[in-house]
Amino acid sequence: EVQLVESGGGLVQPGGSLKLSCAASGFTFSGSAMHWVRQASGKGLEWVGRIRSKANSYATAYAASVKGRFTISRDDSKNTAYLQMNSLKTEDTAVYYCTRRVVSSSWSGWFDPWGQGTLVTVSS
Amino acid sequence: SSELTQDPAVSVALGQTVRITCQGDSLRSYYASWYQQKPGQAPVLVIYGKNNRPSGIPDRFSGSSSGNTASLTITGAQAEDEADYYCNSRDSSGNLVVFGGGTKLTVL
Repeated sequence: EVQLVESGGGLVQPGGSLKLSCAASGFTFSGSAMHWVRQASGKGLEWVGRIRSKANSYATAYAASVKGRFTISRDDSKNTAYLQMNSLKTEDTAVYYCTRRVVSSSWSGWFDPWGQGTLVTVSS
Repeated sequence: SSELTQDPAVSVALGQTVRITCQGDSLRSYYASWYQQKPGQAPVLVIYGKNNRPSGIPDRFSGSSSGNTASLTITGAQAEDEADYYCNSRDSSGNLVVFGGGTKLTVL
């Protein structure tokens, strides 16, 4: 079964740090680009960032709202992706999902599967 | 603001057909994918590529695209289709990914 399981969410004070993990199983993790997407309560989905595979130089990219504060990494030996979040703000409060990006061509890609999400609350 | 624009809410009578649209300049170059999200659950892929459904997605779901607009059509909407629907594609630079703001579908 293709599966993603996030962990590491919790309550953190503004200005603090938190590291989320995303454990993958059931597919070739090392060859997959992994993305993080978040959703504030009652709001829509917001793309956070991604890390590509070793074949694509582990290239990362981030949304403007988190660039310079968040870092995505991966450990292919553990089939796990990470989201390091620093200098957290109250507006970073959200459910964070990890998901695999599947690309069939330069003009077609999609996200499947998705993890169940982990809640990050930034509050004093 | 998102580079992909969706109507915030759409309603459909049970058994009727509904189209949910997504507009954006990047859709002239990239296909959209569509996700269904029910309360308290993670998003689920329902349409990808030109018009492909993952295993387990009913064939009443279909996708299409024209110019800068992608559409998700549900033919014969069921009560269980009531959910939020999001489109997704690359941004205009082609390097990043964006989601539409989402459409809340109500089945009457």
